[in-house]
This record gives sequence, structure tokens and C-alpha cells, in this order.
Amino acid sequence: SYVLTQPPSVSVAPGKTARITCGGNNIGSKSVHWYQQKPGQAPVLVISYDSDRPSGIPERFSGSNSGNTATLTISRVEAGDEADYYCQVWETRTDQWVFGGGTKLTVL
Amino acid sequence: EVQLVESGGGLVQPGGSLRLSCAASGFSFSAYAMTWVRQAPGKGLEWVSGITGGGEATYYADSVKGRFTISRDKSKKTLFLQMNSLRADDTAIFYCARVGISRTGSSSHFDYWGQGTLVTVSS
Repeated sequence: SYVLTQPPSVSVAPGKTARITCGGNNIGSKSVHWYQQKPGQAPVLVISYDSDRPSGIPERFSGSNSGNTATLTISRVEAGDEADYYCQVWETRTDQWVFGGGTKLTVL
Repeated sequence: EVQLVESGGGLVQPGGSLRLSCAASGFSFSAYAMTWVRQAPGKGLEWVSGITGGGEATYYADSVKGRFTISRDKSKKTLFLQMNSLRADDTAIFYCARVGISRTGSSSHFDYWGQGTLVTVSS
């Protein structure tokens, strides 16, 4: 089955840029979606189709995808961005959705 | 306003069964595929099952194939997950989510989520 690999944790100071990676075999050929989940809450879509930002998501959130790595970038990080972030793809070979293991973003 | 409200969770013994429901409102239910995602305590998200808008196709994670059955009722605007032969490692919050449709017609992201229902499998 297809595997998505994320770093367990990323730390960043307020106002700086956070980059969260999602590794997968030739992931650049797939559409990657990113979700933010705060404690006790349901996940929220923050980036779809590699780099599209849904309505209501700040412009500070952006995404890219190439080769074997997709990246979620959060610019000018704020304390409110502290959360778990998950990448996700649809695997056409098995007709299954796949999530990465998640990355805990800590704002120092 | 799109709303998804799960129900049916609870405590069940190993080997038992449970049926989850997800009541949908605020959108054309039959036009969208739907899905279930679960999260074990302190763990990450795990996709469980999905179903197309018309119900003609269903999809399952390997971990639940043969034990869980997804279905939907167009008239009641409700998504279901029938869970049989439950095991301790099925303990999780179960979320239902809508599979969104992008402006290009692609459909593989989950754009709305319910608040989840907790399933605990324990003796």
C-alpha cells in the first residue's frame, strides 16, 4: 500500500516560516491535500490539490508538490497555528485514501 | 450551511457490532461522495471507508475490509457505517466527511467534517 511519511514534529518561532513535508513515492504525480487539526476538534482542510487554498484559509498557508515530496508552508507563523497537520492522497492503484502519520507543529 | 452530525457511537464488547450514522444537511447529499475517517486515542487520522454519491461504488481500508459496510440513504440524507466483529484496536473517534468537488471537477479531498462519535471496544 502507498505510504506517506511526515516528520513527527516541527517547531518554529512566531513570525517565522514553518515547512511540513510529506514524502511518498512519486507523490508529485498525485494531488495532495492538507488538514489542520487542533486538540479536541475535527480536522479542517487548509490546502487542496497541492496548492489551492479553500475559502477562509489565510494566505499564509501555501503548498507545493514535486518529485517525492509535498510541502505545506506556513508563513508568519502565529500561536494559533499550533496544531497537528496531515497530508492525504487518493491512491488510484488500490482505490483507497491514504493519510500521512501527522506532524505536530509547535510554536515556540 | 453544510452540517454533518454523527451518532451511534458507544461502548461495545469485542466481537460485537455497532452502526454509525451521519446526518447531512445544507447540500445536495446525492451529489457528493462521502467517507468515514477514524482516529484512535492519541493517534493520527486513518481513512476507513468511502462511498460514491449514488452509492454504486464503495471503498474500504484493508484494516476493515470484510468487517465494515458503508451505505447511504438518499431520502434520509444519512450516511451509515455498519461495523461487525469489532476489536479493541477499532476504538476511535469516527468522523464522517464530505468528499468535495473542485472547480475542475476533481473529487478527492474532504471539505467538510462532522465532530465525530466515539466508539469504544472493550470488555
